[in-house]
Amino acid sequence: EPEVTQTPSHQVTQMGQEVILRCVPISNHLYFYWYRQILGQKVEFLVSFYNNEISEKSEIFDDQFSVERPDGSNFTLKIRSTKLEDSAMYFCASSGQADQQYFGPGTRLTVT
Amino acid sequence: QQQVKQSPQSLIVQKGGISIINCAYENTAFDYFPWYQQFPGKGPALLIAIRPDVSEKKEGRFTISFNKSAKQFSLHIMDSQPGDSATYFCAAMVPTGNQFYFGTGTSLTVIP
Repeated sequence: EPEVTQTPSHQVTQMGQEVILRCVPISNHLYFYWYRQILGQKVEFLVSFYNNEISEKSEIFDDQFSVERPDGSNFTLKIRSTKLEDSAMYFCASSGQADQQYFGPGTRLTVT
Repeated sequence: QQQVKQSPQSLIVQKGGISIINCAYENTAFDYFPWYQQFPGKGPALLIAIRPDVSEKKEGRFTISFNKSAKQFSLHIMDSQPGDSATYFCAAMVPTGNQFYFGTGTSLTVIP
């Protein structure tokens, strides 16, 4: 069964450093998403991406965040200058239609 | 602003019993309501979903009940099993949007 994959599974970085989280969506999917989940809290939407551009973003997704689909398979989330409060699980999701979103296993980001 | 409210926060059920998790929403534009199951260290996995044109949807032991007038929907897990122990999130989406609004999650423990 096709699945969304994410790398790395755990990323530790120092405050102020740039991080790139990588995702490989399901191959025939057209919509891509990033969500985050702070430990013990609900899943929060960050951004959706369709047709090579951002289609929707939340208040969390400020200028420190960017997304890119550098080739036909990868979808990345970049945080330019990490803050302590960016520590969370980051989930990538993809869908063939906008509603049925399939989530990856997540990347745990720890900012020290 | 909490778009989707979920209760209870935690639930303990005996094996074979019925687990019931409730969600309420305010935005009448929502037209897609999925439930996700999340095991520790894993991403949310789509369990079952419903649209407002039906009042109930059943898939195996999992049933969604939907009350459009009350703006509420619930997940019923029949014959609950220890393997069902996980965190369950309800979510909602508007037809013109891409993002899910997640509830705060319910930690379900099924006791053997």
